[in-house]
Amino acid sequence: EPEVTQTPSHQVTQMGQEVILRCVPISNHLYFYWYRQILGQKVEFLVSFYNNEISEKSEIFDDQFSVERPDGSNFTLKIRSTKLEDSAMYFCASSGPSGFKETQYFGPGTRLLVL
Amino acid sequence: DQQVKQNSPSLSVQEGRISILNCDYTNSMFDYFLWYKKYPAEGPTFLISISSIKDKNEDGRFTVFLNKSAKHLSLHIVPSQPGDSAVYFCAASAISTDKLIFGTGTRLQVFP
Repeated sequence: EPEVTQTPSHQVTQMGQEVILRCVPISNHLYFYWYRQILGQKVEFLVSFYNNEISEKSEIFDDQFSVERPDGSNFTLKIRSTKLEDSAMYFCASSGPSGFKETQYFGPGTRLLVL
Repeated sequence: DQQVKQNSPSLSVQEGRISILNCDYTNSMFDYFLWYKKYPAEGPTFLISISSIKDKNEDGRFTVFLNKSAKHLSLHIVPSQPGDSAVYFCAASAISTDKLIFGTGTRLQVFP
């Protein structure tokens, strides 16, 4: 069964460093998402991406964050200058191919720890 | 942001019995609801969904009920199995958006 994959599974970084989290969505999906879950809190939406552009973003997704689909298979989340409060599980999800409002399938997550 | 609420943080059920997980929402613009199951250190796994035009959707042991007037949905698992032990999240999205708003989760434990 097709699945969303994410690398790395764990990342430890120093505050102020840049990190790139990588995702390979399900191959025929067209809609891509990033969510995060801070320990003990809800899963929160960060950004959605369709047709090579951001379709929606939350207030969390400020100028420190960016997303990219550099090729036909990868979808990345970059945090330019990490802060302690960026420590969380980051989940990539994808949906499609038929269109809007389809089920989102999640990857296993990347645990980011900012020291 | 409390648009989706799961008021029971945990539930314990005997194997073979019914598990009922509840979820309340406040946003009348929600038109699509989903249930996800999550094990520790894994991503949410999709279980079942329901559109606001329906009041029930069934898939094997899992049934989701939607009561729009009460802004309430529930997930029934019959019969419950030990492998169902996990955290269950309900999620919703509103008209014209596909971003999911998650509840806080309910930890289900199914014991033999």
